[in-house]
Amino acid sequence: SQQGEEDPQALSIQEGENATMNCSYKTSINNLQWYRQNSGRGLVHLILIRSNEREKHSGRLRVTLDTSKKSSSLLITASRAADTASYFCATEVWGKLQFGAGTQVVVTP
Amino acid sequence: DAMVIQNPRYQVTQFGKPVTLSCSQTLNHNVMYWYQQKSSQAPKLLFHYYDKDFNNEADTPDNFQSRRPNTSFCFLDIRSPGLGDAAMYLCATSRVTVLSTEAFFGQGTRLTVV
Repeated sequence: SQQGEEDPQALSIQEGENATMNCSYKTSINNLQWYRQNSGRGLVHLILIRSNEREKHSGRLRVTLDTSKKSSSLLITASRAADTASYFCATEVWGKLQFGAGTQVVVTP
Repeated sequence: DAMVIQNPRYQVTQFGKPVTLSCSQTLNHNVMYWYQQKSSQAPKLLFHYYDKDFNNEADTPDNFQSRRPNTSFCFLDIRSPGLGDAAMYLCATSRVTVLSTEAFFGQGTRLTVV
C-alpha cells in the first residue's frame, strides 16, 4: 500500500510560471524525498528533507515539510520546458522507502 | 560511472517461464530495494533488504522472490511470470542510518511476458 498521496495528479503550466505540488502521508517518517522521472526513464533524486527540518532549498526547488499535518510541498520556480516530467514524493521509515502516486507536470514553451 | 546497474535492460520471457533480474551496486549501501512500476503509475515497493534482513511487502505476490547473496548484488526471481507481471522493475540502494541518504536508482529492466 502507498504511504503518500499527491495532488494534483496533473499540472499544466507555461514556461516561467511556478509549479507547486503537494504530498500527504500517513505515518511518522524519518525523511521525505522528492524524485523526478522523465517518460520511460529512471528516477532522479531531487531533494531530501529530514523529519526535524521544515524547509529546504536546492536551486529552483523549495520543499516544505509539516510533520504535524503529515504533508510536504514541492515548489519549482521559473519553470522550464525541461521540467516536464512526473514528480514523486517518497517517505522513508527506517529503510522502507515508499512512493506517492505522483504528479505529472507539463511545461509548455 | 553507473553506481546501480541492472541487467538486462530489456527482458522478454515466456508466460510461466522463470526469470531472474539482477542488480549490482558499487556504493556499499546497506539497503537495497526492488520496485515494480507499470505505465503511468508510481513505483510499487516489492521488497527491501536492510543489511541482511529481508522485508517483504504484504501485497507482493508469492510468485516474486528475492536474494541478496552479498552487499553488492541483489536478484529478483519471478517463478511463473504472468501477463500482469509485465512492467519496469527498478532496483535502488541507499545508506540508511540516523542520517539516511537519498536512494540511487538503476535504469531499470523492462520485462515483457509473451
